[in-house]
Amino acid sequence: NAGVTQTPKFQVLKTGQSMTLQCAQDMNHEYMSWYRQDPGMGLRLIHYSVGAGITDQGEVPNGYNVSRSTTEDFPLRLLSAAPSQTSVYFCASWRAGSNQPQHFGDGTRLSIL
Amino acid sequence: AQSVSQHNHHVILSEAASLELGCNYSYGGTVNLFWYVQYPGQHLQLLLKYFSGDPLVKGIKGFEAEFIKSKFSFNLRKPSVQWSDTAEYFCAVTPPAAGNKLTFGGGTRVLVKP
Repeated sequence: NAGVTQTPKFQVLKTGQSMTLQCAQDMNHEYMSWYRQDPGMGLRLIHYSVGAGITDQGEVPNGYNVSRSTTEDFPLRLLSAAPSQTSVYFCASWRAGSNQPQHFGDGTRLSIL
Repeated sequence: AQSVSQHNHHVILSEAASLELGCNYSYGGTVNLFWYVQYPGQHLQLLLKYFSGDPLVKGIKGFEAEFIKSKFSFNLRKPSVQWSDTAEYFCAVTPPAAGNKLTFGGGTRVLVKP
């Protein structure tokens, strides 16, 4: 049981490049989300999904796109990377219901030069 | 919008000392409350959670947290820390109706000296 798998673990991009961060979960969880983690700011929600075909914006969505074509996968796309997007990105999934905790992936450390 | 404040950004203490990390939230309605821990180089793991019932919640690894509704607080405690408790700790809240869309505090880095 792999849980939540994120790839790649590390990536360096140049400003203006595009990139897709992958996230897959094998727990058949309905909900998935993407966070970015920056020092002193905790985790901030970028986008989330409550099921296949349904996505919504979180607290800091600008510069990021998502799609949810299957229950298992929730990729995060940076169309034109900016230095402000240098961060550690975490994907999470959880079962529907008001008392279900989130399960996190190992993170992707992204640097934009 | 709801917000979560963690008062201490960094805490340094010696093994066997007691630990208390503060967490306050701003939201007027019912909330679900969580503490997550992130060990160096690892992903976030759930430490404990509160949804209802006894406001004193016991979690893994000897941690506990107390929900005080009148103070909008959910402080984390451990009576005697170990070097292995060195980590970053995050408080998070969500209204039940939000489907556990979490709002996180800024985190507290805890360093336990051997």
